[in-house]
Amino acid sequence: AQSVTQLDSQVPVFEEAPVELRCNYSSSVSVYLFWYVQYPNQGLQLLLKYLSGSTLVKGINGFEAEFNKSQTSFHLRKPSVHISDTAEYFCAVSQNYGGSQGNLIFGKGTKLSVKP
Amino acid sequence: NAGVTQTPKFRVLKTGQSMTLLCAQDMNHEYMYWYRQDPGMGLRLIHYSVGEGTTAKGEVPDGYNVSRLKKQNFLLGLESAAPSQTSVYFCASRQTDSFIAKNIQYFGAGTRLSVL
Repeated sequence: AQSVTQLDSQVPVFEEAPVELRCNYSSSVSVYLFWYVQYPNQGLQLLLKYLSGSTLVKGINGFEAEFNKSQTSFHLRKPSVHISDTAEYFCAVSQNYGGSQGNLIFGKGTKLSVKP
Repeated sequence: NAGVTQTPKFRVLKTGQSMTLLCAQDMNHEYMYWYRQDPGMGLRLIHYSVGEGTTAKGEVPDGYNVSRLKKQNFLLGLESAAPSQTSVYFCASRQTDSFIAKNIQYFGAGTRLSVL
């Protein structure tokens, strides 16, 4: 069975500081990896994805993530955050074969709070 | 460009009442999903559909039924609501016609349901 662990439930950070949101996954098969963002009272929006190729993935709003297969991690980073980045961030994996292909398994989320 | 539309946005039910949540997508997507989001739990898959007339159980299907009579609509029903079903419900959909597209889910804005 696959699972996703987001190591921090809340991350407070000051504006213009760098941030890293950590995500580890477990799976006995190869997976695809995603980060979604949820702004207050809204649905989820895809931030970035790793499907294949380069392990460094760039997404929207200046975010990037690096797939590390040996450490089974997919940490999200941004070099300088803005107040508008305040949101909840979800890491997710999907199985890339079989009957459940494409179904997403989500982590429990990390609330990023950017303070002025 | 509506994307994925969920109705209603808010609903309060009494224990034992029934209701149906509607999800409509205008992107001609084959796959559709229903998730529930609870604080500290992330999103968990309730049911999903791989095409018109088909449905399958997800991680937490008990107490819910679904139907996909039309390709663009996916209905989630609660026959006898319980307080444990108080949650935010999200619908999502995805394509299947390309490697990249088939791995991106598009989410609705959610339905906030309270069961008293």
